[in-house]
Amino acid sequence: QVQLVQSGAEVKKPGASVKVSCKASGYTYTTYDISWVRQAPGQGLEWMGWISASGRNTNYARKVQGRVTITTDTSTSAAYMELRSLTSDDTAVYYCARGGATSGYDYWGQGALVTVSS
Amino acid sequence: QSVLTQPPSVSGAPGQRVTISCTGSSSNIGAGYDVNWYQQLPGTAPKLLIYGNSNRPSGVPDRFSGSKSGTSASLAITGLRAEDEADYYCQSYDSSLSESVFGGGTKLTVL
Repeated sequence: QVQLVQSGAEVKKPGASVKVSCKASGYTYTTYDISWVRQAPGQGLEWMGWISASGRNTNYARKVQGRVTITTDTSTSAAYMELRSLTSDDTAVYYCARGGATSGYDYWGQGALVTVSS
Repeated sequence: QSVLTQPPSVSGAPGQRVTISCTGSSSNIGAGYDVNWYQQLPGTAPKLLIYGNSNRPSGVPDRFSGSKSGTSASLAITGLRAEDEADYYCQSYDSSLSESVFGGGTKLTVL
């Protein structure tokens, strides 16, 4: 069965960086894009960006452009989302999801809570 | 302010029918991009409920249906059940932003 398993919760100080991983299993990794979506406490879903199945293409939301990098390691079927220059506004649950920018997201990771606090 | 507009909340009694609207614009829903719907139960990851405007993934009951017209889409839930109480989100693609976009979410309360 398809699974996306994410790394655990993180606590970071303002100005620091965080890197969240997402390991896929149960399907051919290189045939599906991966997107990242975050959800601040009590708020809605916010799309952050996407990486193509091959890893050759990425696109990021304007809101986080310049601070976010999404990468993939096809040899280990894992995707990564790094967010830099963290502020308290970045406190959220970060989800990886199978699908690209124009598609629906049929499988989701369990989420990783990132807390930014001094 | 979300690019796709949903009502903050809807409610209905068990067995009733409710609809949740998702209003976009000519650069997203109106441009022909598909609308997808997600159900999020408290403390869990979103679950794909409807894809490609009106298609249900395997395992989703036929009580859930989606439709799209012009710059708007709707999710209908018939035969409301207590376990349907959740947050519901629409999602599409916006060509002017070159981004995937979500609605602000609608909280469904089963009375």
